[in-house]
Amino acid sequence: AQSVTQPDIHITVSEGASLELRCNYSYGATPYLFWYVQSPGQGLQLLLKYFSGDTLVQGIKGFEAEFKRSQSSFNLRKPSVHWSDAAEYFCAVEGRGAQKLVFGQGTRLTINP
Amino acid sequence: GAGVSQSPRYKVTKRGQDVTLRCDPISSHATLYWYQQALGQGPEFLTYFNYEAQPDKSGLPSDRFSAERPEGSISTLTIQRTEQRDSAMYRCASSLTKNHNEQFFGPGTRLTVL
Repeated sequence: AQSVTQPDIHITVSEGASLELRCNYSYGATPYLFWYVQSPGQGLQLLLKYFSGDTLVQGIKGFEAEFKRSQSSFNLRKPSVHWSDAAEYFCAVEGRGAQKLVFGQGTRLTINP
Repeated sequence: GAGVSQSPRYKVTKRGQDVTLRCDPISSHATLYWYQQALGQGPEFLTYFNYEAQPDKSGLPSDRFSAERPEGSISTLTIQRTEQRDSAMYRCASSLTKNHNEQFFGPGTRLTVL
């Protein structure tokens, strides 16, 4: 069965600092990979996705993620965070041929001024 | 519509009552998904529709849960004889087709069962 692990439940960084959120997945083949952000009272918004090709993908709001097949990882990065990036971040996978997303438990990001 | 909408946004009910949640997807989208999100967890798949067909309902926790999309647009999720463990955020998403397109999520319905 597919599973997604986000090891960090809560991360605090200072505004302007760099950010890396970890995501590891378990799946028999390379799935489709996604990062979503959830702000309070809002729906989930897609930040970026990986289907195939270049393993470094760029997303919205200055985020990027790198797919590493050997580590079964898809970590999310941002060079310099802004206070507005405070939110909950979810990594998700979709098996090729499956029609459902499997989410990690999320990482809550707090930004210190 | 411009985005996915869900109603009601909040629902408080007593144990044993039936509840129906509604999802209005983006108008051009063929595929509609329902997820359940417990507090502090990521969303978990319940079921999905491709137009009015429901190819996968493997995530529905019990036969108390059912979903419909009779005309291939609006969908409802019904929970019969609610239990306290049903308390969660219920999220609806839609996508243009079922082939790995971006899923657009609605704001969710927060269900509390007392």
